[in-house]
Amino acid sequence: AQSVAQPEDQVNVAEGNPLTVKCTYSVSGNPYLFWYVQYPNRGLQFLLKYITGDNLVKGSYGFEAEFNKSQTSFHLKKPSALVSDSALYFCAVRDRTGGSYIPTFGRGTSLIVHP
Amino acid sequence: DGGITQSPKYLFRKEGQNVTLSCEQNLNHDAMYWYRQDPGQGLRLIYYSQIVNDFQKGDIAEGYSVSREKKESFPLTVTSAQKNPTAFYLCASSQLTNDYEQYFGPGTRLTVT
Repeated sequence: AQSVAQPEDQVNVAEGNPLTVKCTYSVSGNPYLFWYVQYPNRGLQFLLKYITGDNLVKGSYGFEAEFNKSQTSFHLKKPSALVSDSALYFCAVRDRTGGSYIPTFGRGTSLIVHP
Repeated sequence: DGGITQSPKYLFRKEGQNVTLSCEQNLNHDAMYWYRQDPGQGLRLIYYSQIVNDFQKGDIAEGYSVSREKKESFPLTVTSAQKNPTAFYLCASSQLTNDYEQYFGPGTRLTVT
């Protein structure tokens, strides 16, 4: 079984400050992890993914995420937030073992960046 | 939203009517998916398909039907049996490997009154 938790429904940050959107996961084996962003009334856009190798993954729009196996976490980060980063962010996981290609999504975290 | 189109963007129907949402992809992806999104509930999987003429129920398939007659197309019909059809519907596609991300369409907002 696989699951994802995004413990914060909403994150507020001032423009220019660093931001973190949290994600923890549970899988039977090892995970493939993904972050997506959704702007209002739009589909989800892929930001980045962890497959293997370096625990720090860099993605689109200056975002990065750190894979921490011991804490089963994959938090999304950005050094300096922009107002235009305000959106809904989804974390997703697939288990490497078991064969299913169906990902499990978190409930989403609304990021609000204040000017 | 590149490579996947959904139409229409907004759809209004009267209660008791069936309605079909279109989803087309030109990414040559084998797998296609339909999700429903309601405020505060994230994404819920309705149906998915990994090959033409084959599809599987997701977590909330009741009241919905799909077809996959072509690799590029995966239309979703919301039937009158669906009790709360008003929602934002998202179509996605991907390769059939676990490390591959999904590509999403722009969504269709369905309102049933």
